[in-house]
Amino acid sequence: GENVEQHPSTLSVQEGDSAVIKCTYSDSASNYFPWYKQELGKRPQLIIDIRSNVGEKKDQRIAVTLNKTAKHFSLHITETQPEDSAVYFCAASQWTGTASKLTFGTGTRLQVTL
Amino acid sequence: GAVVSQHPSWVICKSGTSVKIECRSLDFQATTMFWYRQFPKQSLMLMATSNEGSKATYEQGVEKDKFLINHASLTLSTLTVTSAHPEDSSFYICSARVGPAYEQYFGPGTRLTVT
Repeated sequence: GENVEQHPSTLSVQEGDSAVIKCTYSDSASNYFPWYKQELGKRPQLIIDIRSNVGEKKDQRIAVTLNKTAKHFSLHITETQPEDSAVYFCAASQWTGTASKLTFGTGTRLQVTL
Repeated sequence: GAVVSQHPSWVICKSGTSVKIECRSLDFQATTMFWYRQFPKQSLMLMATSNEGSKATYEQGVEKDKFLINHASLTLSTLTVTSAHPEDSSFYICSARVGPAYEQYFGPGTRLTVT
């Protein structure tokens, strides 16, 4: 089955700086890579996703890049703000219709300090 | 749109009892629902996948007789933790998906504490 590794486990940045979180996956058949933000005790919220036919996707301060050859994908947050502090999870899935399921990374706790 | 609710949001039960958690898609029909368990400071671990009207598919290591899943309608799935023990204390999160769509919509989670 799929295995997703995520680094770093914790990340502290100053407000305004950029943050980068990296994930690697094992199954070359995976073709859908979402990123979730989870605040303490809350549900995971999808913040951005990318499919394997695209190398990069951006949404305001958030961007995701995908390197299918290396089986890497990364989340980039620019101009970080205190409200970006949360746990971020990457995930990977091979889209096979109704049987598709997500495999999550281990999470990165991001702290944005003033 | 695409709202998923869970009930209860938290529950405390005694060891040996059973507890049922409901997951509802409020504004769409969910052909597939997923149940995850999340221990403190850990990732989401998929427990099972359920499709409306059919038996759930459990992940390796998840006891299907202990974690009973019913997906009786396109808007409701239930997870029953039977004979709960303190080690079952966790945050249980469901998600729902429409057909073969990529995106899953997550519920707010249920915090289960077994005393």
